[in-house]
Amino acid sequence: DAKTTQPPSMDCAEGRAANLPCNHSTISGNEYVYWYRQIHSQGPQYIIHGLKNNETNEMASLIITEDRKSSTLILPHATLRDTAVYYCIVRTGTASKLTFGTGTRLQVTL
Amino acid sequence: NAGVTQTPKFRVLKTGQSMTLLCAQDMNHEYMYWYRQDPGMGLRLIHYSVGEGTTAKGEVPDGYNVSRLKKQNFLLGLESAAPSQTSVYFCASSYSPGLRNTEAFFGQGTRLTVV
Repeated sequence: DAKTTQPPSMDCAEGRAANLPCNHSTISGNEYVYWYRQIHSQGPQYIIHGLKNNETNEMASLIITEDRKSSTLILPHATLRDTAVYYCIVRTGTASKLTFGTGTRLQVTL
Repeated sequence: NAGVTQTPKFRVLKTGQSMTLLCAQDMNHEYMYWYRQDPGMGLRLIHYSVGEGTTAKGEVPDGYNVSRLKKQNFLLGLESAAPSQTSVYFCASSYSPGLRNTEAFFGQGTRLTVV
């Protein structure tokens, strides 16, 4: 299974863009990168996913490097409600299991 | 459309007691998963199911059993609870992995304490 590496914590000022990096250097060619977040102790919430092209939805943008060894989740205008733990996950295996690491704790401040 | 519903939301067990956690989804998903999350850690996969009548072991299956008798339900059983099983349990479901780019939906969790 491909592993991911994320910084343990990051801070971001409200209204600014939050850029969360993820390294997945062992990713296979047909594996997708998924991002989830977990607010307090709620169930993880899907944010976005991608294969090799950059993706954007109403919540965030996902930038994947050309070699696919790393990616960046961008929250364009962070708010206090975006304070959460963000997980970068490579979806792998025939059962599409999601393997969670320890994620990045994003603190959005005034 | 309720999504993924977990029952109960909270439970306190004594060591050695048994219980069953119920996960129900109304999205006609093929795949279902049980995770546990300990304080300060990410989620770890306990068991999963790729369809009705099938189950498989995940990363931390010891001490747990599961059943998927109906497509919409995935049960997690603790036959003899131990304090080490104190955790928050999350259920998730998704479409079949032939569509690998489909998202998984999570329930809101069951907080279990074993004393």
